[in-house]
Amino acid sequence: DAKTTQPNSMESNEEEPVHLPCNHSTISGTDYIHWYRQLPSQGPEYVIHGLTSNVNNRMASLAIAEDRKSSTLILHRATLRDAAVYYCILRDSNTGNQFYFGTGTSLTVIP
Amino acid sequence: KAGVTQTPRYLIKTRGQQVTLSCSPISGHRSVSWYQQTPGQGLQFLFEYFSETQRNKGNFPGRFSGRQFSNSRSEMNVSTLELGDSALYLCASSQLGTANTGELFFGEGSRLTVL
Repeated sequence: DAKTTQPNSMESNEEEPVHLPCNHSTISGTDYIHWYRQLPSQGPEYVIHGLTSNVNNRMASLAIAEDRKSSTLILHRATLRDAAVYYCILRDSNTGNQFYFGTGTSLTVIP
Repeated sequence: KAGVTQTPRYLIKTRGQQVTLSCSPISGHRSVSWYQQTPGQGLQFLFEYFSETQRNKGNFPGRFSGRQFSNSRSEMNVSTLELGDSALYLCASSQLGTANTGELFFGEGSRLTVL
């Protein structure tokens, strides 16, 4: 099982950018990098995903290292509603929807 | 468009009993997967169903089982409940049958307490 390593917790000031790191040194060529977040008392929600190139969407940006052994989720302007646990997940295209969630990073946004 | 619906939201059982949880995926989604979330173990994959067939299974004992119906609704069952089965059980649906790019949509979960 491909594993990811994330810091347990991070803090950010409101309206400032946040860079959430993830290490995945054992990533294989068929693994997609996905990010989900879980707000309190809710199920996880999709944030972004990518394979090799950097990706942007309305929620965030995903920067993937050239060797793909690490990635960074970037929230451009943190809001209080971004306080959540962020999961970096490797999703093997060969094993269906069998996501391996780590412990995630608990993001605190300070007003 | 209605989201993923899980029922019941909360339930309490005693050791030795069995429980059935239900999940209605987003209309048009054919893949349903189940996860167990506990404070100690985090989110762990249970199994995935696609078009009524189990495609993947996580490392859980045989007491955990599931099925999917022709309308894509899914149920999971836990027999002979143990205290350690107390958890939030999350269901996720996906439109695509293949793994590459399909986004998972999660329900709010069923919180099971075993006494």
